This record gives sequence, C-alpha cells and structure tokens, in this order.
Amino acid sequence: NAGVTQTPKFRILKIGQSMTLQCAQDMNHNYMYWYRQDPGMGLKLIYYSVGAGITDKGEVPNGYNVSRSTTEDFPLRLELAAPSQTSVYFCASSYVRGQDTQYFGPGTRLTVL
Amino acid sequence: ILNVEQSPQSLHVQEGDSTNFTCSFPSSNFYALHWYRWETAKSPEALFVMTLNGDEKKKGRISATLNTKEGYSYLYIKGSQPEDSATYLCAFPPMNYGGSQGNLIFGKGTKLSVKP
Repeated sequence: NAGVTQTPKFRILKIGQSMTLQCAQDMNHNYMYWYRQDPGMGLKLIYYSVGAGITDKGEVPNGYNVSRSTTEDFPLRLELAAPSQTSVYFCASSYVRGQDTQYFGPGTRLTVL
Repeated sequence: ILNVEQSPQSLHVQEGDSTNFTCSFPSSNFYALHWYRWETAKSPEALFVMTLNGDEKKKGRISATLNTKEGYSYLYIKGSQPEDSATYLCAFPPMNYGGSQGNLIFGKGTKLSVKP
C-alpha cells in the first residue's frame, strides 16, 4: 500500500493564481482531512470529509474549497492565492472516526509570492 | 472554544535522560486522546490513541497515561536517545451533534531535542 500520497511536494504561486493540491489514499478509508501547518501554531484543520460526496469545514476554511467524488481522492483547491496561504499542507485519512489513528501524507510546501 | 494545551513548548535533554510532558484537554464529552510524533521535514506518525480513563499505553521506551476526569495525559520517554528528537503532538476529536466526526484538534506540540 502506498498509504496517503500528495502532489506536488513543492509549489510557488503568484498572488491571485489558482491551484489544486492532490491527495489520494489506497487504504479504503472513509474519513479524510486537510490540515495546514503554520509556524508556532501547530496543525489547523481546513476541511474534512466523512465519505464520498460529504465534506465539512474545519477551523480555517476561508480561501479553500474541496470535493470528494471518490473514496480515494480528496483534492484541495485554492482559488485566489494570497500570501497568508503560504504554509505546509498535510492530507490525512482514517478508517473509523475519532478513535482511529490518522495517517498523514508527506505534505505539500506552498509559497505564495 | 475547544483547546488543547501542551507543556512545555520545548525541552532540551541529554542522551540517557528520562523526560515527560503534558497534554491538557477538555474533560467534558471525552471521546479519545491521540499522541503523534513529528520529525522535522516528515509527516506526523501516530504513537497512541487512548480512550479509557486510567489507560496506560507503551511503545518501546515511550509510554503515555490518561486521566479523562481531570483532562490531562502524560507522555514519558525513558532513556532519551538523539533519534527521539521530534515534536510530540496531542490531539482530541471534538464531539459535534452528539458524536465525533473524526476531525482532530491538535495542540501546538512539545519540541524535544536530545543531545548526544
């Protein structure tokens, strides 16, 4: 199993550009999550999904959109990139909610200039 | 606002020292408490998921205890080694609409540095 994979690993965007961060898992997990890591702030939840077709906002959803058309994939969309979105983005998944380990992808480092 | 507090923020120890750090979380509507280990330039890896008051879990030289009534968990590392250097995160799933949706609220972590 590849586990949780994320692409790209690194990306530099100009202000106002758009991009999609890809996330896929091959563990047949229903639950998937997007976090961002800001220095000194730990991990903050952006969006999460409890199954295909069902998504919900986390703590910091502004400026992002998600979709979940399949169990495997959970892309994160940035529509109008802003410098405040410079961060490291982690995707994670779990099989059972709440009491189950979350498995994290390797992260995407995004810089918005 | 649901919050997870971890202390200390950072810790520097010598190889062979034993150490411990604390995670405080809301004790009402407790569901589970997670511990993760996060090495620099890597992704977080799960250490423990704890669900019962009084739970004690162990993985090699690392162990954790849980007190759900008072809302805290301790992580212990016995005989620290340089490879233990990492940030240790705790997290809990908030209860929404009578149940957990699976999402986690993370603390800011305790950064451990072990000098050889």
